[in-house]
Amino acid sequence: GQQVQQSPTSLVLQEGENAELQCNFSTSLNSMQWFYQRPGGSLVSVFYNPSGTKQSGRLTSTTVIKERRSSLHISSSQITDSGTYLCAMERGNYAQGLTFGLGTRVSVFP
Amino acid sequence: GGIITQTPKFLIGQEGQKLTLKCQQNFNHDTMYWYRQDSGKGLRLIYYSITENDLQKGDLSEGYDASREKKSSFSLTVTSAQKNEMAVFLCASNPDWGSSAETLYFGSGTRLTVL
Repeated sequence: GQQVQQSPTSLVLQEGENAELQCNFSTSLNSMQWFYQRPGGSLVSVFYNPSGTKQSGRLTSTTVIKERRSSLHISSSQITDSGTYLCAMERGNYAQGLTFGLGTRVSVFP
Repeated sequence: GGIITQTPKFLIGQEGQKLTLKCQQNFNHDTMYWYRQDSGKGLRLIYYSITENDLQKGDLSEGYDASREKKSSFSLTVTSAQKNEMAVFLCASNPDWGSSAETLYFGSGTRLTVL
């Protein structure tokens, strides 16, 4: 089964609304990361967040290692926030990189 | 700063054709990766390489070959393209095999279409 589960699959927001994206892990967690991908674009790291809470501008990530979950909160969404948000966890063997979730597609409209 | 360059950006092939995707990085990173991204299936690891001339199979290596002849480049070959196949192939790099994912960087991808 899927080791990294994201919800919701997609989200439609009106500009200015807040949103919360969830990520759950089926195995024990070393650390995790949130990425942003614009349609047709590369992945850009948003947060590297092994545990606790991190904030960058309107984005806040909270990871609770013991509960194997992480969330990404978008406040006062803007049209430029549209895209896909992927969470990923580090594999036990660092060299193998990351295991990814399927992503949450966010669409923000005026 | 550095950059990961993937070529070509778009690749159209015929069923059964052998197709090669290229990736160059100027970070001087040791470890490089190839991921495949399908709609509804997320990213899956095809091959990775922890140093020049090293190759390690990922979760989805069947049907692919890889080559790491230079530290800065990592190429991926689709050995026999499947009809109606459509996916984005993403290359990534990390300073060394023990580095955390915090220092993982991605290229902008090659979009493959097989007719």
